[in-house]
Amino acid sequence: KAGVTQTPRYLIKTRGQQVTLSCSPISGHRSVSWYQQTPGQGLQFLFEYFSETQRNKGNFPGRFSGRQFSNSRSEMNVSTLELGDSALYLCASSSGTIIREQYFGPGTRLTVT
Amino acid sequence: AQRVTQPEKLLSVFKGAPVELKCNYSYSGSPELFWYVQYSRQRLQLLLRHISRESIKGFTADLNKGETSFHLKKPFAQEEDSAMYYCALSGFPGAGSYQLTFGKGTKLSVIP
Repeated sequence: KAGVTQTPRYLIKTRGQQVTLSCSPISGHRSVSWYQQTPGQGLQFLFEYFSETQRNKGNFPGRFSGRQFSNSRSEMNVSTLELGDSALYLCASSSGTIIREQYFGPGTRLTVT
Repeated sequence: AQRVTQPEKLLSVFKGAPVELKCNYSYSGSPELFWYVQYSRQRLQLLLRHISRESIKGFTADLNKGETSFHLKKPFAQEEDSAMYYCALSGFPGAGSYQLTFGKGTKLSVIP
């Protein structure tokens, strides 16, 4: 099976812009989670989608949003970018209705200048 | 609320020495615990899960419910073990659905 893929892999944006990141889960996986990874905070949970519905949401401002399509592909959007949004954004997919192990994508490295 | 604590940000050991990466958790129910590893320039991947009681790459981890710990151990460290290690808990946070919560990670550096 092909692994989790994320596009783009690298992105440079300026403050105030918005950005959309894409994630394609492993075939058959219906759950997609997003995380922000930074050296200081480690992995922070953003949100999780299952069958096009957001099931869980982390403690991030409303500028961070996401959605999932009927084919389980997911996108996350960050509006009004801030310097502190610079991070590696990871997507992970899981097969079941109860999240146990997750399979991670390579991440999108976002740099905000 | 569910929480995972990894008290050490960085752990340095000599090659051939024993390794123990600490993980403590807080959860009111019966948790499922995992260790994930991220090697340099590679994606985060599952190392092992407590329900399998398996040994992967010489690593083992035992769930101690009394001490709410899930420490990762290896008797003899190898240079290729140098990586970032994350402990994770799958549990129900009280709303929504089951969620995987990660610790902040421990960077293991094996000195040749």
